[in-house]
Amino acid sequence: NAGVTQTPKFQVLKTGQSMTLQCAQDMNHNSMYWYRQDPGMGLRLIYYSASEGTTDKGEVPNGYNVSRLNKREFSLRLESAAPSQTSVYFCASSDPGTGFNYGYTFGSGTRLTVV
Amino acid sequence: DAKTTQPPSMDCAEGRAANLPCNHSTISGNEYVYWYRQIHSQGPQYIIHGLKNNETNEMASLIITEDRKSSTLILPHATLRDTAVYYCIVRERSGGSYIPTFGRGTSLIVHP
Repeated sequence: NAGVTQTPKFQVLKTGQSMTLQCAQDMNHNSMYWYRQDPGMGLRLIYYSASEGTTDKGEVPNGYNVSRLNKREFSLRLESAAPSQTSVYFCASSDPGTGFNYGYTFGSGTRLTVV
Repeated sequence: DAKTTQPPSMDCAEGRAANLPCNHSTISGNEYVYWYRQIHSQGPQYIIHGLKNNETNEMASLIITEDRKSSTLILPHATLRDTAVYYCIVRERSGGSYIPTFGRGTSLIVHP
């Protein structure tokens, strides 16, 4: 099915461990985004990539790095996980170049717990 | 900070219309208003968007005031499955891109 695929769906890390969250989209979208959502909160933007080869910081980038591997894939890396990074992470994609008719498509999320 | 203001919660009887308001008084002239919803902890789902005319699709209707400072999402016949958090979004410009910024949304509970 067309859409945004995130892996893994669940992950438990120990403080100080590192990991990479994977995101891939098959809609040929130019732009991709990483959000985090804490309990009772809206989504906050971590990083985004307006197009292949570019990345920019969002509202809460500290403690994260990203890689736009190609047009399809946008990964989020936690180099040294902290309990404050316990959250649900969502990846999204969009294609402003084709207009706004389809908005932004989100993945199903990665639930990360740092102990 | 989010550029939109929504009530934190609302409830609606099943089968009745649910009207969810949103204030976006600082919206610029060429910016769209988007509505998304999030069921449980799933990824947000696109519902509808509009610029200045009222819009309708298979999911909902969107009424935008003439001054574009507020809008209302209408679910004409709410069902229990419409229980979700609804987000009204106006994109913010960041560098050369426009980024959707989510507030806390409105938690809609549809009851039998």
